[in-house]
Amino acid sequence: AQSVTQLGSHVSVSEGALVLLRCNYSSSVPPYLFWYVQYPNQGLQLLLKYTSAATLVKGINGFEAEFKKSETSFHLTKPSAHMSDAAEYFCAVSDPGGNQFYFGTGTSLTVIP
Amino acid sequence: SAVISQKPSRDICQRGTSLTIQCQVDSQVTMMFWYRQQPGQSLTLIATANQGSEATYESGFVIDKFPISRPNLTFSTLTVSNMSPEDSSIYLCSVARGGNTIYFGEGSWLTVV
Repeated sequence: AQSVTQLGSHVSVSEGALVLLRCNYSSSVPPYLFWYVQYPNQGLQLLLKYTSAATLVKGINGFEAEFKKSETSFHLTKPSAHMSDAAEYFCAVSDPGGNQFYFGTGTSLTVIP
Repeated sequence: SAVISQKPSRDICQRGTSLTIQCQVDSQVTMMFWYRQQPGQSLTLIATANQGSEATYESGFVIDKFPISRPNLTFSTLTVSNMSPEDSSIYLCSVARGGNTIYFGEGSWLTVV
């Protein structure tokens, strides 16, 4: 079985500061990993995904995530937070067949001016 | 990516009534997924809808409460039957495409009063 754990349901950063959102996974097979963002009153938008190619994945809006197999982690980072980054972020894992997706409980990011 | 349109985007419903949510995709897909996101919660998979077969429901969800139709490869509907306030949620349609990635519609915000 696969699962995803997001550490920290709420994260606050100052504008311009580093954003770090944590995600750990458990999987018995090489996983596919994803980060989605949900802006207020909107659906989920794909930020980036890892599918066993490069371990450092770059996504939209300046976000990136690094797959670390030894740590079973896929943390999301952005060097400098912007006010528009305030949203809910979800980490997800899928089996290679893409038939089952498992979502974390989400992390709400607040950006302080 | 995928362009997924959902209707209605928002609705306020009386308890005891039923509401059908429509999901239209810009091109043919094999699998469509329906998720529920209760206020402040993560996503929970309701069912997977394949064209030409009965939908597969997850534990805790039944066809009588959430009947699903999948008449063709670009369209699906989810009905929330005999609604109660506990059904107040965001209902999200999603599809799998291109490398085991799922894409979401904008969601349907339902409030049951």
